[in-house]
Amino acid sequence: NAGVTQTPKFRVLKTGQSMTLLCAQDMNHEYMYWYRQDPGMGLRLIHYSVGEGTTAKGEVPDGYNVSRLKKQNFLLGLESAAPSQTSVYFCASTDWGRMNTEAFFGQGTRLTVV
Amino acid sequence: AQTVTQSQPEMSVQEAETVTLSCTYDTSESDYYLFWYKQPPSRQMILVIRQEAYKQQNATENRFSVNFQKAAKSFSLKISDSQLGDAAMYFCAYNQGGKLIFGQGTELSVKP
Repeated sequence: NAGVTQTPKFRVLKTGQSMTLLCAQDMNHEYMYWYRQDPGMGLRLIHYSVGEGTTAKGEVPDGYNVSRLKKQNFLLGLESAAPSQTSVYFCASTDWGRMNTEAFFGQGTRLTVV
Repeated sequence: AQTVTQSQPEMSVQEAETVTLSCTYDTSESDYYLFWYKQPPSRQMILVIRQEAYKQQNATENRFSVNFQKAAKSFSLKISDSQLGDAAMYFCAYNQGGKLIFGQGTELSVKP
């Protein structure tokens, strides 16, 4: 099983450029999440989705947009990248209706904005 | 808003000894779930243990156990007989209604 796959694994952007991070899961999970991880800050929730066609804001949504057009995919977009968005980004997914189910994570994307 | 706080950025333990990592959370909800995740240098996120808020009994998984104090909104992780492989970043997490929130993390080092 592939589980949760993030694309790309590494990326360097120039300030002002745009990009899309792709998260794909093959476990038929309803819930999907995007986090950013920075030293001393832990994992902070950017946006999440409770099902196909739905999205919701997390703790740090500014500067990011998301879409969940297909159940298995959750896209994170940066329209105009800023150095403050340099981070490691993680996608996760979990079952619907079973809140005690563990979340499965992708391997992370290291993004550097110069 | 729900928040999760881990007040210990770093902890250290001698191999074979016991260490406790602290976590507190803030919520007005009564039905929720709590987790501890481990993140080794590989960046992989690994579930260590989970606790349902409606269960009074503390969860245990081999050498890992929790002390869940619902009234105090406290959820600490105890690691017994610490091993070198336990060295990692540990995150406490809270899930209510599908919104999964993590704490800042505690970096655990294990001394041989």
